[in-house]
Amino acid sequence: DQQVKQNSPSLSVQEGRISILNCDYTNSMFDYFLWYKKYPAEGPTFLISISSIKDKNEDGRFTVFLNKSAKHLSLHIVPSQPGDSAVYFCAANAPRQGGSEKLVFGKGTKLTVNP
Amino acid sequence: GAGVSQSPRYKVAKRGQDVALRCDPISGHVSLFWYQQALGQGPEFLTYFQNEAQLDKSGLPSDRFFAERPEGSVSTLKIQRTQQEDSAVYLCASSEGQRFYEQYFGPGTRLTVT
Repeated sequence: DQQVKQNSPSLSVQEGRISILNCDYTNSMFDYFLWYKKYPAEGPTFLISISSIKDKNEDGRFTVFLNKSAKHLSLHIVPSQPGDSAVYFCAANAPRQGGSEKLVFGKGTKLTVNP
Repeated sequence: GAGVSQSPRYKVAKRGQDVALRCDPISGHVSLFWYQQALGQGPEFLTYFQNEAQLDKSGLPSDRFFAERPEGSVSTLKIQRTQQEDSAVYLCASSEGQRFYEQYFGPGTRLTVT
């Protein structure tokens, strides 16, 4: 079963407008949520994170919102730029006993920002 | 500073061959992770090291997969008797002690088994 779901495989927006990428999760034990951006032939690049005790975190043009009751988070990019075109992965940190940690990823959403 | 590096970037192996994939984490990062990413999917956890200790190998798909980090820095992921379903991108990530959840990824090794 998929614990982190990104239900939109792709999203297209105009330059200057807002991009909203969504993510749903099922495991209430997740304690941190992260967004990664990935260009072709490169590894994922960390963008922004949010603790499960917060509901918003902002970094420049990027804001992540967390709704714990709905088990939903979203990434807002304002204003969107053509260089933002990439695949965006939502990930959640799953704390485990014994000090082990791992990230659980969604399948990604391909964002295209049109000039 | 230097990021996470991986080698080789591309590897083609005939079915049944053994392969070894290398990861050089960011200097000073105590945590190191391996992930497998199939086409059209997100990365999936394979194994986790804290320094030289392998604390979690629950994601390794079979006993053909083996990872080591003997001196707590460079890590090697070895796949024995490769099969076609092993074809994927293998990603290595590292993180520092305090912000362990913010993992920094290398470019990956694309393995193709023919």
